[in-house]
Amino acid sequence: GQNIDQPTEMTATEGAIVQINCTYQTSGFNGLFWYQQHAGEAPTFLSYNVLDGLEEKGRFSSFLSRSKGYSYLLLKELQMKDSASYLCAVRNSNYQLIWGAGTKLIIKP
Amino acid sequence: SAVISQKPSRDICQRGTSLTIQCQVDSQVTMMFWYRQQPGQSLTLIATANQGSEATYESGFVIDKFPISRPNLTFSTLTVSNMSPEDSSIYLCSVEGTSGSSTQYFGPGTRLTVL
Repeated sequence: GQNIDQPTEMTATEGAIVQINCTYQTSGFNGLFWYQQHAGEAPTFLSYNVLDGLEEKGRFSSFLSRSKGYSYLLLKELQMKDSASYLCAVRNSNYQLIWGAGTKLIIKP
Repeated sequence: SAVISQKPSRDICQRGTSLTIQCQVDSQVTMMFWYRQQPGQSLTLIATANQGSEATYESGFVIDKFPISRPNLTFSTLTVSNMSPEDSSIYLCSVEGTSGSSTQYFGPGTRLTVL
């Protein structure tokens, strides 16, 4: 089967750094996506990785290791508005998007 | 990224009735997707809708229950038929962007409650 694993919930402190991990087992690989979803809202696109390495975009960075089936999303200088769910999704060889269950990130002052 | 709107934003419906959800995009797109997201859970793809062809349904979803229309490249509808409380969910449409990554972008969603 195909699956994406992420922690269910994480807690971090305002101003700190948090790393959200995602491991995947899919039939082939054609890219990995991270989305942010605030409660009651639609997911919004954060990042895309298709090659190994780190992609940096402001306070957010995403890393990919295809050989390990592993990615992480790194959030720096955390702000209260970063409290949200973070969804990892992988596109497989059939160009289907396989979604993780999401990680609920709670930011405390 | 495309601007996507959905109507209605929310509705409360009686068991046994049907609701049609509309999705409008501000640019022409080839592929549109319909998802369901139940409370506290991740996204489940219902079907892929391409203009000019029948929608492709995922395992566990059938056309009789979730008929889809795709009359042109900017619009699609999803109908939730003969509703039961188990259909209470958020329904999201998404479109595939034109960049090389084919990133999906989502509409604001329709929150459906079935009594």
